[in-house]
Amino acid sequence: AQSVTQLDSQVPVFEEAPVELRCNYSSSVSVYLFWYVQYPNQGLQLLLKYLSGSTLVKGINGFEAEFNKSQTSFHLRKPSVHISDTAEYFCAVVSYNTDKLIFGTGTRLQVFP
Amino acid sequence: EPEVTQTPSHQVTQMGQEVILRCVPISNHLYFYWYRQILGQKVEFLVSFYNNEISEKSEIFDDQFSVERPDGSNFTLKIRSTKLEDSAMYFCASSGGRRQETQYFGPGTRLLVL
Repeated sequence: AQSVTQLDSQVPVFEEAPVELRCNYSSSVSVYLFWYVQYPNQGLQLLLKYLSGSTLVKGINGFEAEFNKSQTSFHLRKPSVHISDTAEYFCAVVSYNTDKLIFGTGTRLQVFP
Repeated sequence: EPEVTQTPSHQVTQMGQEVILRCVPISNHLYFYWYRQILGQKVEFLVSFYNNEISEKSEIFDDQFSVERPDGSNFTLKIRSTKLEDSAMYFCASSGGRRQETQYFGPGTRLLVL
């Protein structure tokens, strides 16, 4: 079985500061990794995903994530956040033998002016 | 840009009543999913559907739940006899392929069972 842990339920940060949202996963089989963002009153939107190859993945809105197999992590980063990045961020995995996304509990990013 | 749509956006129902949540997936997608998120909890997988049959379902998806693709565009989730604990946000998603293919999510239907 797979599981995803997002240790930080909330991350407050000032505008233009860097941010890292942490994600760790557990799986006995190979997985694909995803970050989704949920803006208020909207559905989940894909930010980026890691399938294979380069461990640094770039996504939309200036976000990037790095896959670290030895630490089973897939942390999301942005060098300079904007007020508009305020949202809930979800890390998720899907294994090679299933179609179901397994989500973490989410991290609420709050950007202050 | 094509998107997944869901209706209604909000639904209030009495315990024991049947509800049908509707979704229109992206038109050329072949794989369809339902997830739910109880307030303050994780987004949880309910069911996946391909080629007019369920391909995978979770323990949550018991006999009270059913899914259907009644025509070429709609994908529905029916809850036969709602319980208080069915109150949640229900998300529909679709994808063009399996596994590593991106699942595109709709905006959700917020279901409140009284």
